[in-house]
Order: sequence, then C-alpha cells, then structure tokens
Amino acid sequence: DGGITQSPKYLFRKEGQNVTLSCEQNLNHDAMYWYRQDPGQGLRLIYYSQIVNDFQKGDIAEGYSVSREKKESFPLTVTSAQKNPTAFYLCASRVGVSSYEQYFGPGTRLTVT
Amino acid sequence: AQSVAQPEDQVNVAEGNPLTVKCTYSVSGNPYLFWYVQYPNRGLQFLLKYITGDNLVKGSYGFEAEFNKSQTSFHLKKPSALVSDSALYFCAVRDNRDSSASKIIFGSGTRLSIRP
Repeated sequence: DGGITQSPKYLFRKEGQNVTLSCEQNLNHDAMYWYRQDPGQGLRLIYYSQIVNDFQKGDIAEGYSVSREKKESFPLTVTSAQKNPTAFYLCASRVGVSSYEQYFGPGTRLTVT
Repeated sequence: AQSVAQPEDQVNVAEGNPLTVKCTYSVSGNPYLFWYVQYPNRGLQFLLKYITGDNLVKGSYGFEAEFNKSQTSFHLKKPSALVSDSALYFCAVRDNRDSSASKIIFGSGTRLSIRP
C-alpha cells in the first residue's frame, strides 16, 4: 500500500535533548511538508521541501531542522533550542504538480519533560 | 493577509439531522479551498476541494461544500449526520503568495459532535 509512514507514534524525551522524527513516503511525491499541531491552533507549517536537497522554512522554523537527501524521506529534528517542543507533528506530501491537496501521515506525538 | 477562519470551535448535531461547518477565507487571487477531517490521534484525511467550476462540490463520506464568492465562504455540509462523523474538521486555503510551493493555510478546526 502506498502512503506516508511516521515513526514512532509516541516519543518521549528529556528537555535539552535533540530528537529526530521520521517521515517516509512511497507515493513518489516531490513536495513534502512538516506541520505542528497544538490544541485550538490548527496546523502550523514548520518546513517544506519541493525537491531533493532543497527545503525552505515555514512559519515556525525556529528550533527545528530538516534534511531531504532522498525523495522518499524528510526527517525533522527538534532541537534543544525549541522552547516548547511538546506537540503533535504531522508530515505531508503534495499529491501532484497540478493538484494542491496534501496527503498526511498518521503523526508523531512528542512529549518533552 | 491570507487567512481562513472557522468561527465555531464546536458544532453539536443530532444523528440524522443536517450539519453545517462554517468556513470563511481571505486570499488574493482565485481561492483554492479544501476540507480535511481528523480522527483522534490520526493524521488529516482529505474530504474535498474547490478549484474552479460548480459552486457545490461533492466529496468523501457524503460531505459536500458550497463555495460562495460574494461571502468568501466555503461551508461544509451533510444532509444527514452520522455518529461516525464526529471528528475535528479543518478548512484550508492555498497560500497564493507563492503558488509554486503550494503551501496551505489551515483554519483552527471545528470539533463536530454527533449525538445518537
């Protein structure tokens, strides 16, 4: 089955540690996105990538980093500089060049204590 | 500024009754509009979109949405609600400031609760 895989589903870390969230897709989509979801605030864009080896900051990129070495993979690192990292993180890919809807993974819930 | 607003945090409907979830938008140029649904601890699922054409758009699970250009609205509707429709619904609009990136701006979400 084609889709987006995010692992793990739940992640726990101590404050001050960096943590990397995985996002893998086998849909052959070029563009990929990372969102953060907090209660009552909808989704906010962290980073996005339109092609391999290229990515741009979204609205809330501070304290996060990404890489796009392969078309299938777009990992997100939450660094210790992110002041409030506890959230639900969603990865998405764009369905096609002329189709603007995005296809979402199941999400990773990160808790930092 | 480009934005999308969902004025209701929660909508409560009895099973079998029609439902409406409201959405208004503000974008420059032509609006590209979407509705997504999210079940607890899951990713978002695409329901429907409006790009051009008929103002009434039909989507998954019996949902439809009506595009109203004069009111800048894109309300989600269903003629007869099911308990299984209970979920969080997001309206979204394409950010026209950079069409090549196809960024989407999401509303804050509306929690739909269908009582038996």
